[in-house]
Amino acid sequence: SQTIHQWPATLVQPVGSPLSLECTVEGTSNPNLYWYRQAAGRGLQLLFYSVGIGQISSEVPQNLSASRPQDRQFILSSKKLLLSDSGFYLCAWSVQEGGRSYNEQFFGPGTRLTVL
Amino acid sequence: AQSVTQLDSHVSVSEGTPVLLRCNYSSSYSPSLFWYVQHPNKGLQLLLKYTSAATLVKGINGFEAEFKKSETSFHLTKPSAHMSDAAEYFCVVSEGYGNKLVFGAGTILRVKS
Repeated sequence: SQTIHQWPATLVQPVGSPLSLECTVEGTSNPNLYWYRQAAGRGLQLLFYSVGIGQISSEVPQNLSASRPQDRQFILSSKKLLLSDSGFYLCAWSVQEGGRSYNEQFFGPGTRLTVL
Repeated sequence: AQSVTQLDSHVSVSEGTPVLLRCNYSSSYSPSLFWYVQHPNKGLQLLLKYTSAATLVKGINGFEAEFKKSETSFHLTKPSAHMSDAAEYFCVVSEGYGNKLVFGAGTILRVKS
């Protein structure tokens, strides 16, 4: 069966510090991968998605970046955090087979980021 | 462009009474529709999905939803609420096989004992 991991679970960082959040998926190959942010009391905002190694699409301009160094690894980074970067970050994956992508996404447990 | 409107930001029911969470969507094509549930500080769990098969979709934990094209609605229901159903629920739409999901703003369900 497939599982998705995120770490750390919680993180408190000062403004201006760097960020690295990691997401890994087990039990599947060549998944589509996604990063979402959920701010307090708001819905989910898609930040980045990836259909393959090194292929990243950005949905929202911001001081965050994403990378996919391995097939099942997705990393969210920042060089300098802002207060507005605080939120709950969720990684998700979906099946991609034979060039066809399926819509159902499976979510990780999330990382709670607080920027002070 | 696709969009989702969840008509209630908060719903409060008593344990053992029916649950109704309302969702309307806008889509140019035949949509796929989903309901996800999120418990506090947890990831999202898929409750059920509609992908152009039966219009009445049954999900986990006794939830079901009915796709009504004429009303562009996909309301979530459960005959009898349980305390463990207290959570936030998201209605989600996707078109074709384009990877992207569009989320509603969420409905927080409170269950009173």
